[in-house]
Amino acid sequence: DTEVTQTPKHLVMGMTNKKSLKCEQHMGHRAMYWYKQKAKKPPELMFVYSYEKLSINESVPSRFSPECPNSSLLNLHLHALQPEDSALYLCASSPSKAGKNEKLFFGSGTQLSVL
Amino acid sequence: AQKVTQAQTEISVVEKEDVTLDCVYETRDTTYYLFWYKQPPSGELVFLIRRNSFDEQNEISGRYSWNFQKSTSSFNFTITASQVVDSAVYFCALILSGAGSYQLTFGKGTKLSVIP
Repeated sequence: DTEVTQTPKHLVMGMTNKKSLKCEQHMGHRAMYWYKQKAKKPPELMFVYSYEKLSINESVPSRFSPECPNSSLLNLHLHALQPEDSALYLCASSPSKAGKNEKLFFGSGTQLSVL
Repeated sequence: AQKVTQAQTEISVVEKEDVTLDCVYETRDTTYYLFWYKQPPSGELVFLIRRNSFDEQNEISGRYSWNFQKSTSSFNFTITASQVVDSAVYFCALILSGAGSYQLTFGKGTKLSVIP
């Protein structure tokens, strides 16, 4: 079983909706990540949080808004998305500071469909 | 810039056959880490192995083995006596070891189907 839990597993939303994706880990990891994965493509990094501070934003549109309320939780707030934003959104964590070449622990993802 | 190439898009094998997944990488840096991840249909990426650029020792873990050759910039992955549960997409990835290096460069993945 994965130790990174993502909810919901599936989400369908309209372009005017506001929704949030949630990610939780209880391994004491201090770096957390959001990745976006389109079908038959590798994951693409969106955001990195290190010690609850946003350290990397890979030029992601503002309709995606990350939040790290505490060291165990990571949210991704969605607003006014486009159909091309439909994808699998993966959360990951690693033990300490981002960028230390540690292995990532991934959640099972949220499959998002934007209508 | 780094690049990881997995030339095999899809592979099908019959159960119990051996299969090798190829990974070729490009980087100008001398210190880096290479990874293999497995993505089963359930979606999560599962870490399989990490290897640093100074350690060319091959590794075996059960039915899995990895062959790292810096001379050819390759980090190939072999599954011996494949099983249906090995069916998944496998990603090879590279990250530089410098400070602030956070970006995993993934290959495009190889979809492995093991047929009973």
